[in-house]
Amino acid sequence: NAGVTQTPKFQVLKTGQSMTLQCAQDMNHEYMSWYRQDPGMGLRLIHYSVGAGITDQGEVPNGYNVSRSTTEDFPLRLLSAAPSQTSVYFCASSRDLFSGGATDTQYFGPGTRLTVL
Amino acid sequence: GQQVMQIPQYQHVQEGEDFTTYCNSSTTLSNIQWYKQRPGGHPVFLIQLVKSGEVKKQKRLTFQFGEAKKNSSLHITATQTTDVGTYFCAGVILTGGGNKLTFGTGTQLKVEL
Repeated sequence: NAGVTQTPKFQVLKTGQSMTLQCAQDMNHEYMSWYRQDPGMGLRLIHYSVGAGITDQGEVPNGYNVSRSTTEDFPLRLLSAAPSQTSVYFCASSRDLFSGGATDTQYFGPGTRLTVL
Repeated sequence: GQQVMQIPQYQHVQEGEDFTTYCNSSTTLSNIQWYKQRPGGHPVFLIQLVKSGEVKKQKRLTFQFGEAKKNSSLHITATQTTDVGTYFCAGVILTGGGNKLTFGTGTQLKVEL
């Protein structure tokens, strides 16, 4: 099992450019999510998905789009990059949606470090 | 806004000293999870607490969930340099739209020899 993989590891964009951050998991997990991590802010939820074809907004969704066409993949699209989107982005997956059981373990990918100039 | 707060934000200890980080929520939590993130790495799941007053141990780490399920703590006994990193709590809050996980701001631990 590769677990959760993310590409690219690093990216530099100019303001206004668009791009897609890729996330894939091979654990057949239903629940996937995207977080951004900024100094002193912890991890903030951008978007999440409870299964293929189902997505919902998290705490900071503006400027980002997601789709979930397969169980394995959950790409994050930046529509028009802004300097405020400079951050480290983590994708995560878990089997269940934090219902209190052993299958709630959330696995994180290695992250994408994005800089917007 | 941020509903789960952690204190302290930073902690420097000498190797062998104990360390505690506290997590407080403005709302009652369904469950609480704890994660560790090494410098430059990604968060790694440590444990989940579900029951009111629950206490769980992992070697030198002791996790506690408050009676009111609004606070939690992580205590490390006799810290080692391998404990260096940022510790996050993450509370599960039940909403009309489903369960949501909200991360605390984290406590960065540095251990000096």
